[in-house]
This record gives sequence, C-alpha cells and structure tokens, in this order.
Amino acid sequence: AQSVSQHNHHVILSEAASLELGCNYSYGGTVNLFWYVQYPGQHLQLLLKYFSGDPLVKGIKGFEAEFIKSKFSFNLRKPSVQWSDTAEYFCAVGTGANNLFFGTGTRLTVIP
Amino acid sequence: DAGITQSPRHKVTETGTPVTLRCHQTENHRYMYWYRQDPGHGLRLIHYSYGVKDTDKGEVSDGYSVSRSKTEDFLLTLESATSSQTSVYFCAISSLAGASGNEQFFGPGTRLTVL
Repeated sequence: AQSVSQHNHHVILSEAASLELGCNYSYGGTVNLFWYVQYPGQHLQLLLKYFSGDPLVKGIKGFEAEFIKSKFSFNLRKPSVQWSDTAEYFCAVGTGANNLFFGTGTRLTVIP
Repeated sequence: DAGITQSPRHKVTETGTPVTLRCHQTENHRYMYWYRQDPGHGLRLIHYSYGVKDTDKGEVSDGYSVSRSKTEDFLLTLESATSSQTSVYFCAISSLAGASGNEQFFGPGTRLTVL
C-alpha cells in the first residue's frame, strides 16, 4: 500500500532561517506530488505540485520542492522563512486512482 | 478559492446520535472526498465519490456512510456517533480536466465533538 512519510513532526526556526521539510513516499508507479499548507484555523491550500517535467518546482510564497525519483522524495524548501509561514505542512502523493495519500504533517513554528 | 462549503461548521453531539455533515460545491467537479484530520495522523480518507451515486470506501470508512444524489452535494453520515469520531472533517473536490490531475481543493472544515 502507498504511504507517505514526513519525518519532521515539529520544526522551530527563527525568521530568515532556511527551511527544508522532508517527504518520502512508497509507490513504484507514476506519481503526482503535492505540498499543501494549513494556516492556523484554516483549510488546506495548495503550495505547489509536480506532475512531470522539471523536477524542481516553484510554488507560491517563495516555496520550492525537488522531486528526486531515485530517492522517492519530494522535499520542500524555502531559503528564508517569515513569521507568516507558521503553519502545518502536508505532503501528498497522488496515484492513478485519483486519490491522494497524505503524510502526517509537519508543524512549522517561526519565531520572530 | 474553489466554491466549497461545509455545514455545519461546528457541532457538538452525544454518543449514539446520528450526525450528517454536508459538503456543497459549485465547481461541477466530478470527484468529492471526505477526510478526517486528527493530530499525529494527518488527513485520512473516509469515503470518496467519483460521480452521482458512485461512492467508494477510503482508509477509515468504518462507522461512516456517504451519499451523493446530486453532483454538487456529498453527505457524510455517522450512523451512531462515538467519541473516537471527534475530529475535524474536511471535504475536498477534484477534477481530472487538464493539468489538474489529482489536485484537490478543500472546504473550510467541520469541527465535530462527540461527548
């Protein structure tokens, strides 16, 4: 069965620090990859997505992610975080069944 | 934002009572989903629908049923609520049109407390 692992449960950073959140998945076929963000008290919103082509994808608010097929990974990065990036981040993997499998999420706290 | 509404937004109920949550969309998307979100578990799929009257089970379907009689509405029913069903429930929609693929758009959520 497909699974998605986010090993960082809670990350605390100071403003301007660089961010990298890990995401690994287990599925041998073609996948679509997503990062969603959930700001406190809000619903999930799409940050970025990968379907095909350039494995380095850029999303909103300065986020980017790199798909490394050989490592089954899709890590999220941002060179300089802001207090407003405080949120929970979810990695998700889509397969041909049109369902998404979500990781357990990483809570990011940015200290001003 | 995608046109997705959920009702009610908050509900407190007692163990053993039936509860129905409603998801309504104005996007005419074919696929609709119900997830529950719990600390340490992320989002887990309860049921989904791939068309009117076409539904299937997800990862955590026990104790839940769904119905979809119209494209725009997807109902989630807890036949007899239990405290383990206390959670935040999110509805999502998706379309396979164009490059959207599996991308899902989420509703605002319903916070359900079962006492």
